[in-house]
Amino acid sequence: GAVVSQHPSRVICKSGTSVKIECRSLDFQATTMFWYRQFPKQSLMLMATSNEGSKATYEQGVEKDKFLINHASLTLSTLTVTSAHPEDSSFYICSVPPAGAQGVKNIQYFGAGTRLSVL
Amino acid sequence: KQEVTQIPAALSVPEGENLVLNCSFTDSAIYNLQWFRQDPGKGLTSLLLIQSSQREQTSGRLNASLDKSSGRSTLYIAASQPGDSATYLCAVKTGAGNMLTFGGGTRLMVKP
Repeated sequence: GAVVSQHPSRVICKSGTSVKIECRSLDFQATTMFWYRQFPKQSLMLMATSNEGSKATYEQGVEKDKFLINHASLTLSTLTVTSAHPEDSSFYICSVPPAGAQGVKNIQYFGAGTRLSVL
Repeated sequence: KQEVTQIPAALSVPEGENLVLNCSFTDSAIYNLQWFRQDPGKGLTSLLLIQSSQREQTSGRLNASLDKSSGRSTLYIAASQPGDSATYLCAVKTGAGNMLTFGGGTRLMVKP
C-alpha cells in the first residue's frame, strides 16, 4: 500500500487564488519531507525541504513567500501556492525520506503528485 | 553541485528488444542511486536502489549497475514489452541531506 499520501491529485484554479497541497506520511514519522516540481517534459527539481517544527529550507530561485510550507506534525507537510498564476502550473510531488540512522541507505518514498493548472 | 545526465532522452524500440538506459553523475561521493519509473501524469514508482558499495541490483527483467568511480549507472531492460513504455528517471542521493538529484529522464516507447 501507499506509504505517502498526497492530495489533491489534480487542481484547476483561477489566477490569483491560493492552492494548498497536503503530503502525509502514512507508515512512519518524518521530521523532514521534500517538495519537488516538474514542468512538462522536464525532470524533477527540488523546491524546498520541509522541516517539522521549524522553517522550511528553500532552493535557490524558489520564492518562499510564494510557496508556503508548513510542517506542523511528524506526518503532515503542506505546500500552499499563494496567488497562483499560469506560470505556476506544474506537477508538484512530495517525498518522505526513510527515518532512522540507516535511513540514508533506504528507498525514498514519493506521493502520487498534484497536477496544478492555473487558468 | 551534483549534476545528473541521462542518455538518451527518448528511445523507441520494437517489442522484445533488450535495451540499456544510461545515467551519469558528476560527484561520485554518493550514498545511493535509485531508478524510478514515471507514467504520464503520474507519480514515481521506485524500481531499483543501488547502495554506493554495490555494483548491481536485479528485479525481474530489470538490472541496474553502478560504477561509482566513473560516475555511471545503467538500467538494463530485458525482453521489452509495450507495458514498459514510460519515462525512466535516475536519481542520486549525495550528502547527508537525504534529498535526491534527478536526471532529465529517458522517455521509452516500446512498440507492439
